[in-house]
Formats: sequence, C-alpha cells, structure tokens
Amino acid sequence: GENVEQHPSTLSVQEGDSAVIKCTYSDSASNYFPWYKQELGKGPQLIIDIRSNVGEKKDQRIAVTLNKTAKHFSLHITETQPEDSAVYFCVSGSARQLTFGSGTQLTVLP
Amino acid sequence: DGGITQSPKYLFRKEGQNVTLSCEQNLNHDAMYWYRQDPGQGLRLIYYSQIVNDFQKGDIAEGYSVSREKKESFPLTVTSAQKNPTAFYLCASSEGQRYTGELFFGEGSRLTVL
Repeated sequence: GENVEQHPSTLSVQEGDSAVIKCTYSDSASNYFPWYKQELGKGPQLIIDIRSNVGEKKDQRIAVTLNKTAKHFSLHITETQPEDSAVYFCVSGSARQLTFGSGTQLTVLP
Repeated sequence: DGGITQSPKYLFRKEGQNVTLSCEQNLNHDAMYWYRQDPGQGLRLIYYSQIVNDFQKGDIAEGYSVSREKKESFPLTVTSAQKNPTAFYLCASSEGQRYTGELFFGEGSRLTVL
C-alpha cells in the first residue's frame, strides 16, 4: 500500500518567520495531495490541495509545491502567526486510497 | 450551520462492553467515513460508506461495526473484540470520492477504556 512520510514531527518558529513541512509518498498513481490543519480538540480542516498536473499552488500565506518525479510535496507558511499553531497533515490520494502522513505539530512563538 | 456532529465528545467504557459513537451530517453528502487517530500517527480509515445501505471496510475494521440506514447518519460501534479501543475517533463526509475532494470532519469523540 501507499506509504507517506512526513517531516518534521514537531516544528517551532518565531512569529513572522516561515515554516516548511515536507512529505514523501511511494505510490506512482497518487494524483491528489491535500493538506489538513487540526487545531487542539477539533477535527482536521482542509487548508490547501494540489493535483498532479500542477507544480505549485498558493493561497495568501500558504503555498504547496509538488515534485512528482521525486515523489515529494511540501507546505510553506510565510509570515507565521500564533493562530497557525496546530497539527498539519499531508495526504496522498489516488483512485484507490487516501493516506495520511503522521502529522507535524507547529508552534509559533510570540 | 451545516456540518458534522459527533457525540459524545468524551466516553469511558469498561473492558468487554460495546459502545456506539454517533455521527450526523446535514451537508447532504453521499459519502461518510470513520477514522481513528492515535498520538503521533496519521488518521487511519476504519469504515466508509458511499451510499445509504452500503459500506466498506477500511484499513483497520477489525473489532468495529457500522450501519448506514439514513443518508445523514453513520454510527460506529466499538465492540469488545477491538483489542485496543482507546483512541480519538473522527467522522467525516464528502460530496464525492474521498480521494479526489475535500473531507469535512466532525470534532471527534475520545474513547477511553478503563
């Protein structure tokens, strides 16, 4: 089955700095890569997604890049704010399955 | 407000007892899902249902059962056969296939077995 590895497991940044979370996947058939944010005590919420025909996508302070050849994708958050503190999950999706990474706990320090 | 409602938020169970977690959605979504979340791990799929009266096993279905008698409801029963049931359980729904579109999650139910 699909294997998704996510790094780092924890990340602390100063407010205003950038944060980068990286994921690799194994299934060549994967073509859908969403990112979910989970705040404490709540369910995950989709923040951005990218499909395999696109190499980069941006939404305000959040951007995602995809390298299909290398089978890795990354989440970039610029100008981090305290409300960005949460657990972030990368996900790899194909026609057969959806596989979550193990999550990154991001802490933005004031 | 449209969304997913899970209840109860916290639940304690003695070993050997079955427990049922409720999940209701008013988004008019066809598909519904149950995930299990353990510390330091990603979400793992227990069961999913693409349509009323039909459901499929996910990656970790052993010790769990579900029903889908109504479009808006997808309850999960954690049976005594589940060897390690203490976990955070998340219900989700989607308008289309889960691997091509957004999943909408409830706020979760935390089950603790005493």
